[in-house]
Amino acid sequence: KAGVTQTPRYLIKTRGQQVTLSCSPISGHRSVSWYQQTPGQGLQFLFEYFSETQRNKGNFPGRFSGRQFSNSRSEMNVSTLELGDSALYLCASSLVTSGGLNEQFFGPGTRLTVL
Amino acid sequence: DAKTTQPNSMESNEEEPVHLPCNHSTISGTDYIHWYRQLPSQGPEYVIHGLTSNVNNRMASLAIAEDRKSSTLILHRATLRDAAVYYCILRDGFGGGSNYKLTFGKGTLLTVNP
Repeated sequence: KAGVTQTPRYLIKTRGQQVTLSCSPISGHRSVSWYQQTPGQGLQFLFEYFSETQRNKGNFPGRFSGRQFSNSRSEMNVSTLELGDSALYLCASSLVTSGGLNEQFFGPGTRLTVL
Repeated sequence: DAKTTQPNSMESNEEEPVHLPCNHSTISGTDYIHWYRQLPSQGPEYVIHGLTSNVNNRMASLAIAEDRKSSTLILHRATLRDAAVYYCILRDGFGGGSNYKLTFGKGTLLTVNP
């Protein structure tokens, strides 16, 4: 069974640009979450999508947005990039079952560098 | 979200048991205790979870204190591949969709010496 895939794996952008990251969840997983990981702040939750709807949202500015498609694939977008947006962006997918606390499966991440 | 407290780092020798502690004094009755780990240059991976009783799986064991205010992840025989950051996370079993938001702390960096 293929794992969570993220593209691209590495990205270099300059301040003010925008970027789109892509995540393909494990087949059958309908929940997709995004996390930002930096040395200073650690792993922080960005948002979670389920059935094409944003169900949970972390404490990030509106420059960070996302969406989910009908095939559960997800994209996140960061507009007007700042130096502080340099981070590893992780995507995680999960089954959604009633009453379940299903584990999240993480992808390898996209390393974004903002110059 | 209920918070967890873990030591910043721990060290172990290969093939010896490792006990990684986690304190969660404000845990609620519906919170499950989850452990994830992150190996170098990889995304986190699920290790184990439990509610009240001790749990075992192929990767590790989870020992939960009777008052549930603390827990210990046990790696029975550490290998070099177990060197990672280990995160203890609480998830509300009745949180519905909100429990798909994981709140990570700083975790414990485990170093395994050959």
